[in-house]
Amino acid sequence: ILNVEQSPQSLHVQEGDSTNFTCSFPSSNFYALHWYRWETAKSPEALFVMTLNGDEKKKGRISATLNTKEGYSYLYIKGSQPEDSATYLCAPSPGGSQGNLIFGKGTKLSVKP
Amino acid sequence: DSGVTQTPKHLITATGQRVTLRCSPRSGDLSVYWYQQSLDQGLQFLIQYYNGEERAKGNILERFSAQQFPDLHSELNLSSLELGDSALYFCASSATGTSGAYEQFFGPGTRLTVL
Repeated sequence: ILNVEQSPQSLHVQEGDSTNFTCSFPSSNFYALHWYRWETAKSPEALFVMTLNGDEKKKGRISATLNTKEGYSYLYIKGSQPEDSATYLCAPSPGGSQGNLIFGKGTKLSVKP
Repeated sequence: DSGVTQTPKHLITATGQRVTLRCSPRSGDLSVYWYQQSLDQGLQFLIQYYNGEERAKGNILERFSAQQFPDLHSELNLSSLELGDSALYFCASSATGTSGAYEQFFGPGTRLTVL
């Protein structure tokens, strides 16, 4: 069973600040890494899926990188906006898992206007 | 809207009872995953079905079971309910069930309260 750690647990920033979160996971038995965004009272929404070491994905002001050799991924948000407030979940998919995900507990981001 | 539907949205029942949660995947998706989120816990993978067959099991209790029907909708059956089973249950679907490289689309969830 993968042990997925996300840090920080929560983060409070001002509008316009850039921020980043970390997800760490065992580097052995890795297949893919997912990032999800989960707003209060809604369901998790996929941001990125990455599989290759050195992968970097970007969607608007949000980007993510992956290091499979050392077992970590970073999620960056540039110029945070209040609508970015959500819990950001990372979820590795272990090798041979048929696609099921092991979710971390998430980083809760609050962006103040 | 992810295209995944779940019913009911809320369910309140008593200990010892049995309930069924229903999920319809996105059109064309063959794989359905069930997750549980309890208080102070992250999303926990329960079970996965792909094209009608069970593919993977996670932390699913023996009192819980699931199935996927020929029309690809899935049901999660929870029996002999305990207070600790109160949680938010999500269903997710993906195009395939053989690889973790495909994003999963989550339904709105069913909130189960056991009194």
